[in-house]
Amino acid sequence: AQSVAQPEDQVNVAEGNPLTVKCTYSVSGNPYLFWYVQYPNRGLQFLLKYITGDNLVKGSYGFEAEFNKSQTSFHLKKPSALVSDSALYFCAVRDSGYSTLTFGKGTMLLVSP
Amino acid sequence: DGGITQSPKYLFRKEGQNVTLSCEQNLNHDAMYWYRQDPGQGLRLIYYSQIVNDFQKGDIAEGYSVSREKKESFPLTVTSAQKNPTAFYLCASTTGGTGGRDTQYFGPGTRLTVL
Repeated sequence: AQSVAQPEDQVNVAEGNPLTVKCTYSVSGNPYLFWYVQYPNRGLQFLLKYITGDNLVKGSYGFEAEFNKSQTSFHLKKPSALVSDSALYFCAVRDSGYSTLTFGKGTMLLVSP
Repeated sequence: DGGITQSPKYLFRKEGQNVTLSCEQNLNHDAMYWYRQDPGQGLRLIYYSQIVNDFQKGDIAEGYSVSREKKESFPLTVTSAQKNPTAFYLCASTTGGTGGRDTQYFGPGTRLTVL
């Protein structure tokens, strides 16, 4: 079985401060991990993914994520938040033996001016 | 949203009616997916198809049906058996055949409301 957890329903950060959105996962094989962002009434936009190799993955719009195998985590980070980063963020996992993605429940990021 | 289109953007259904949501992609992707999104529940998989003329049930297939007659198209029918169909529906596609490493790309979604 595969599962993913986003422990925070909402994250609040001031513009210019660093942000972290947390994600932990559970798989039996090797994990393929993804982050998506969703703006209101829109589809999901792909940000970045971890497949193998370097534990620090860089993605779109200045976002990055760190894969930590021992802690089974894949937290999304950005050094300096923008008001326009305010959106709903989803973490997703696919076990190497599976053909479908499992999504977390999402974390709402609110960046205040 | 890329090369995946969903129509209509908004759809209203009366009790007891079947409705069909359209999903078309021009990315030449083999696999296509339908998800349902409800507030606070993330995305839940309804059906998916990895090749033409073949599809599998996801986690919440009851009350839904699909077809995959063409590679580009994967329509979803919400039947009257679906008791709580009001939700945001998202279609996605991937290249497939890469051992799960491929990225899913999403359409813009259809918001279905039962009157």
